[in-house]
Amino acid sequence: EDKVVQSPLSLVVHEGDTVTLNCSYEVTNFRSLLWYKQEKKAPTFLFMLTSSGIEKKSGRLSSILDKKELFSILNITATQTGDSAIYLCAVEFKKTSGSRLTFGEGTQLTVNP
Amino acid sequence: NAGVTQTPKFRILKIGQSMTLQCTQDMNHNYMYWYRQDPGMGLKLIYYSVGAGITDKGEVPNGYNVSRSTTEDFPLRLELAAPSQTSVYFCASSYPSVWAEAFFGQGTRLTVV
Repeated sequence: EDKVVQSPLSLVVHEGDTVTLNCSYEVTNFRSLLWYKQEKKAPTFLFMLTSSGIEKKSGRLSSILDKKELFSILNITATQTGDSAIYLCAVEFKKTSGSRLTFGEGTQLTVNP
Repeated sequence: NAGVTQTPKFRILKIGQSMTLQCTQDMNHNYMYWYRQDPGMGLKLIYYSVGAGITDKGEVPNGYNVSRSTTEDFPLRLELAAPSQTSVYFCASSYPSVWAEAFFGQGTRLTVV
């Protein structure tokens, strides 16, 4: 069964802290791993990772994939209260009728002032 | 600039009632999806469609039906609402396998009492 597991499920930090969110997966026919940020409403796209060891960066956020260990991390440095959200990891895998995404449970990040 | 539009935003149903959640996209995306998100959980795929006239079951299809008569519209039907269907429902669309460009609707919060 295809599955995506995120940890921790929730995290509370203070502004300025650095956090690391984890995502492990077991899927057949892996194609890519994606990170989304979900505030009050719809998820918004952060990163897509397809190759091992290549870090993707956007401002204070960065992410990397290890396809051998079936693992990805999302780092947020110098956290701000606006980073408070649910961070979703999703893995795209190929099916006979196209590709699909399986989502993890998400990590609820709370950044306190 | 509409993107993916879901209606209604909020609904309360009584057990056994039926309703249709509407989803429309104006980006000419082939792929459309329905997810549900329970509190503290990730997104679970209900049904998806890779093009007009083609639909397929996701992880949690029981109790739901879909149709895709046009590229733009992908309604989700609940025939006999049950309390277990209380959730937030998200519709999404994308080009084939281009999840980095997937667009999510703003969600429909459904409560079954």
